[in-house]
Amino acid sequence: GAVVSQHPSWVICKSGTSVKIECRSLDFQATTMFWYRQFPKQSLMLMATSNEGSKATYEQGVEKDKFLINHASLTLSTLTVTSAHPEDSSFYICSARGDPNTGELFFGEGSRLTVL
Amino acid sequence: LAKTTQPISMDSYEGQEVNITCSHNNIATNDYITWYQQFPSQGPRFIIQGYKTKVTNEVASLFIPADRKSSTLSLPRVSLSDTAVYYCLVGAGMDSSYKLIFGSGTRLLVRP
Repeated sequence: GAVVSQHPSWVICKSGTSVKIECRSLDFQATTMFWYRQFPKQSLMLMATSNEGSKATYEQGVEKDKFLINHASLTLSTLTVTSAHPEDSSFYICSARGDPNTGELFFGEGSRLTVL
Repeated sequence: LAKTTQPISMDSYEGQEVNITCSHNNIATNDYITWYQQFPSQGPRFIIQGYKTKVTNEVASLFIPADRKSSTLSLPRVSLSDTAVYYCLVGAGMDSSYKLIFGSGTRLLVRP
C-alpha cells in the first residue's frame, strides 16, 4: 500500500533555531499533502494544506511566517518551524491521499519536536 | 465540513466485541465516512471507509444507517493491542484536495 514517510522522527533544538521536517510519498505522487500537529492527549489539528507548485493554504490561527511549507515536487513537502520556541514543541504529522479511487488518507509516522 | 461527535473513552475486555458510534448530523451527500486508529507517538492508520449500509474488512465492520447521520465501528474480539484512539472522520473521500478535520476521537482501553 501507499506509504508516507517523515524525517526526522524526532528532533531536539534550542529556542530560536529553525527546524525542517520532510514528508515524502514513497510510491505515489501527491499533489496535495496535509500537515497536522498534535499535543499530548489531544486530537490532531490541521495546520495547512500543502499544494504542489503553489502556496500552502493555512488554517485559521496558524502563522504562515512561523510554519513555512514548501511542496516543491509531487513526492515531497517540507514544514519549517522558524525561530522555534518551547510552545512549538509538539508532534507534527503529514498525510496524503494515495489512491484516488478510494480517497484513503495515508499518514506519516510523525515527527516529535522538542524545543529547549 | 461535517462535525463529528464520539464518546471520549470506552473500556472493554479482551475477546469482547466493541462498538464505537459516531454522530455526524451535518454529513453532506458526497461525504464518505472513514475511521482511523492511532497509537501513541504514531501517525493515524486507516481502518475502514464506507458511504452507506455495511462495510466489512479483515479488521472491522462499519455500519451506516440509511440517514447516514451516524455510523458505528465494530471491532470483533478485541485484544490488548487494540488499545488506541479511534477517530471518525467525514469528508469527500474521492477528492484528493479535500481536507479532513479530526474530532476528539474515542480512547479505547482493552483490559486483560
